[in-house]
Amino acid sequence: QQPVQSPQAVILREGEDAVINCSSSKALYSVHWYRQKHGEAPVFLMILLKGGEQKGHEKISASFNEKKQQSSLYLTASQLSYSGTYFCGTATSYSGAGSYQLTFGKGTKLSVIP
Amino acid sequence: DGGITQSPKYLFRKEGQNVTLSCEQNLNHDAMYWYRQDPGQGLRLIYYSQIVNDFQKGDIAEGYSVSREKKESFPLTVTSAQKNPTAFYLCASSILGQGARDTQYFGPGTRLTVL
Repeated sequence: QQPVQSPQAVILREGEDAVINCSSSKALYSVHWYRQKHGEAPVFLMILLKGGEQKGHEKISASFNEKKQQSSLYLTASQLSYSGTYFCGTATSYSGAGSYQLTFGKGTKLSVIP
Repeated sequence: DGGITQSPKYLFRKEGQNVTLSCEQNLNHDAMYWYRQDPGQGLRLIYYSQIVNDFQKGDIAEGYSVSREKKESFPLTVTSAQKNPTAFYLCASSILGQGARDTQYFGPGTRLTVL
């Protein structure tokens, strides 16, 4: 089951903040966040693990609410370089060999303008 | 430098032809994956392999085939049975054994266009 991301798109001016949400209908073991620039590969940002862990990456942080089965990505004081599409990948099912299969949301397109 | 390479970057194919996309990694990762990306659809899993000479179907395996003869290599063949193959194809790899911590890293992708 594909996780649902919201909003689908957002436009920010430099310095503004944004929140991107990722919701799952299944119990989550972890959430992986990626950013993809147009025509390029997704780049790993951070991983959130079951247990309500919160992580940070420069001015980008994220939270994981196990009870609500959702994760939120927080971008503060946005920079032009933050533009791109943000994907969450959720680990909800065991795929063998001690690992979990990731299912990706459709993405949130973030545009930061001067 | 360690990483994942995909070739070619752009590929054009005539209808009815099979085509093979290359994916190589020198990260010594155990698992490798193929995803298809269409506009507005996110990433959809085609096949994955956790060990040499073994692979599993993902959500959209029809019309595709793979092999894993070496740990470093996981080529994807798009067959003529794939009805709508025009898409951006991404290969990824990961270490296994860390449970839900296993993180996938992506190659630069191949953009396939059927003429």
